[in-house]
Amino acid sequence: GAVVSQHPSRVICKSGTSVKIECRSLDFQATTMFWYRQFPKKSLMLMATSNEGSKATYEQGVEKDKFLINHASLTLSTLTVTSAHPEDSSFYICSASSGWSRRTEAFFGQGTRLTVV
Amino acid sequence: AQTVTQSQPEMSVQEAETVTLSCTYDTSESDYYLFWYKQPPSRQMILVIRQEAYKQQNATENRFSVNFQKAAKSFSLKISDSQLGDAAMYFCAYRSREGNNDMRFGAGTRLTVKP
Repeated sequence: GAVVSQHPSRVICKSGTSVKIECRSLDFQATTMFWYRQFPKKSLMLMATSNEGSKATYEQGVEKDKFLINHASLTLSTLTVTSAHPEDSSFYICSASSGWSRRTEAFFGQGTRLTVV
Repeated sequence: AQTVTQSQPEMSVQEAETVTLSCTYDTSESDYYLFWYKQPPSRQMILVIRQEAYKQQNATENRFSVNFQKAAKSFSLKISDSQLGDAAMYFCAYRSREGNNDMRFGAGTRLTVKP
C-alpha cells in the first residue's frame, strides 16, 4: 500500500518559536495533501487542503499566517507553526492522495504531537 | 461545506458478535466517495472500506461491509465476527469530487470489544 511518512513524530518547542512538520509520500505522487488537527479523543479537523504547485486552501477559522503550508513538490508538503503558543499544542496529521482518477482514498502519516511550553 | 455525523460516541460488542456503526452526511453533490477509517491507540489512520456514491452495490471487505443508502444520506459500517483487534476509534469520512476534493470526518465512534 501507499506510504506517507510524517516527521517528527513528537516535538516540544518553546513559546514564540516556529516548528516545521514534514509530510512525504514515499511511493506515489501526491497531487493533494491534507492537514488535520486532532484534539484528544476528538475527530480530525481539516485545517487546509493543498494541491501541488498551488497555494493551500485554508478552512474558515484557520490562520494562514500562523499555519504556513507549502506543497512544493509531488512528494513533500510542510506545515510550519509560526510563533507557537501553548494553545497550538495538539496532534497534527497529514494525509496524501494521488489524484481522483486513480486512487480516491487518502493515506495518512503517523501524526506529530506538538507540545508548546 | 459537507458535514458528517456519527451519532454514537461509544459502542460495545461481544467478541465474535456483529456490530453496526452509524454515519449520516449532508451534501448537495451527486458524486462523491465515502470511507470508514479506523484509528487504533497508535493513532495511525487505517482505511477500512470505501464506497463510491455512483455505485448502488454495497462495498464489502472481508468482515466489514457497509449499508449505503444514498437517498437517505446514510452510510453505516457493519463489523461481523468482531475481534479484539477491532477495538479502536472509527471515523466516517466524506470526500468531495468538487473543488479541492477535500475529505471531512465525523466525530468518531469508540468501539470496545469484550472478550
